[in-house]
Amino acid sequence: GESVGLHLPTLSVQEGDNSIINCAYSNSASDYFIWYKQESGKGPQFIIDIRSNMDKRQGQRVTVLLNKTVKHLSLQIAATQPGDSAVYFCAENRSNSGYALNFGKGTSLLVTP
Amino acid sequence: NAGVTQTPKFQVLKTGQSMTLQCAQDMNHNSMYWYRQDPGMGLRLIYYSASEGTTDKGEVPNGYNVSRLNKREFSLRLESAAPSQTSVYFCASSDGGRETQYFGPGTRLLVL
Repeated sequence: GESVGLHLPTLSVQEGDNSIINCAYSNSASDYFIWYKQESGKGPQFIIDIRSNMDKRQGQRVTVLLNKTVKHLSLQIAATQPGDSAVYFCAENRSNSGYALNFGKGTSLLVTP
Repeated sequence: NAGVTQTPKFQVLKTGQSMTLQCAQDMNHNSMYWYRQDPGMGLRLIYYSASEGTTDKGEVPNGYNVSRLNKREFSLRLESAAPSQTSVYFCASSDGGRETQYFGPGTRLLVL
């Protein structure tokens, strides 16, 4: 079935390195994508979003890349810090689904000193 | 500006009991949502309210009812709780259907 998935369930990086978290989607009607960060015991926190008319969008220390040809997006975190340790979810919204966000299962990012 | 608030934070129920989860937002958002999150899973949409006075089913609505009390508040009711409803419940709000959704801290529910 259609799904939003992440390539790796866990990712371990050293403090100061750059992190890349990947996400694949299967529905070509998906045209709005959001990355959320969820710390233990808390609700998802918005990081950055991108619409399908863009290939790249940058925020503070984060960049999202969208490749519509292969239905893939990635979240890059520069100079990863211990506070970045969390589960990261990508979510997609399809132009024909109105209000529903379809979430992936998440990638757990662990930042080691 | 508190954003999205949820009560209670934790709840333990016995099978067959009922309860209402409360959600409020102070961002003047039109749309509100209820999700559930099971261990190791992403969030799944239970119900949403596109605007005050409207509600619609999401992916997993069975066993739940909702009420959009006013623009600020959106409640989720379990009429007869079942162990399968043990989960973490998140409320969210957004300006509209294709805008960023902002989440509350969650309600952790255990049904015995």
